[in-house]
Amino acid sequence: EVQLVESGGGLVQPGRSLRLSCAASGFTFDDYAMHWVRQAPGKGLEWVSGISWDSGSIGYADSVKGRFTISRDNAKNSLYLQMNSLRTEDTALYYCAKDSRIGITMPQHWGQGTLVTVSS
Amino acid sequence: DIQMTQSPSSLSASVGDRVTITCQASQDISNYLNWYQQKPGKAPKLLIYDASNLQTGVPSGFSGSGSGTDFTFTISSLQPEDIATYYCQQYDNLPLTFGQGTKLEIK
Repeated sequence: EVQLVESGGGLVQPGRSLRLSCAASGFTFDDYAMHWVRQAPGKGLEWVSGISWDSGSIGYADSVKGRFTISRDNAKNSLYLQMNSLRTEDTALYYCAKDSRIGITMPQHWGQGTLVTVSS
Repeated sequence: DIQMTQSPSSLSASVGDRVTITCQASQDISNYLNWYQQKPGKAPKLLIYDASNLQTGVPSGFSGSGSGTDFTFTISSLQPEDIATYYCQQYDNLPLTFGQGTKLEIK
């Protein structure tokens, strides 16, 4: 069974940094692309970033480009999101998701999310 | 970026009704279109990929169609457990983008 467990969320002041982690199990991690998708309170889904199986292809939403960095460690079955220069509008539930393919196409399986609150 | 426009934004229907949601892309995305269901307080679930392919384990009452810029998602006979918000998502180009969602309620 695919399991994705996010961690690292919390309350942070604007302008500060936070690093999210996602521990994956139940599948061969380096056979699939991975994603971060967020959902602000009461709002819709926003794709944040994705990374291909070998980190050769990476993409970001315009809203986070230059501030967030996605990475993965296939030896540790882990996905990360380094978030710098955080803004109040980054407040959201952040989901880690597994793609169905090696390239960045579709979040197929999702974790339960970790909440990030950016506030002074 | 490719913009995805869903309609309607909300929909109220009766149990047993046929329900249709549309999604329009701002440019041709071939069939690179997926549909998700999100129930309150839960993570989203992939229902349909590549416009018309049912994800394993998803009931056959759900279906999708379309290509190019215009896509349709259909529930053949609405059930109480189908109450959720539904999203389309394109993967023709990065960044991936979602529609704004359609909130489905029981009348």
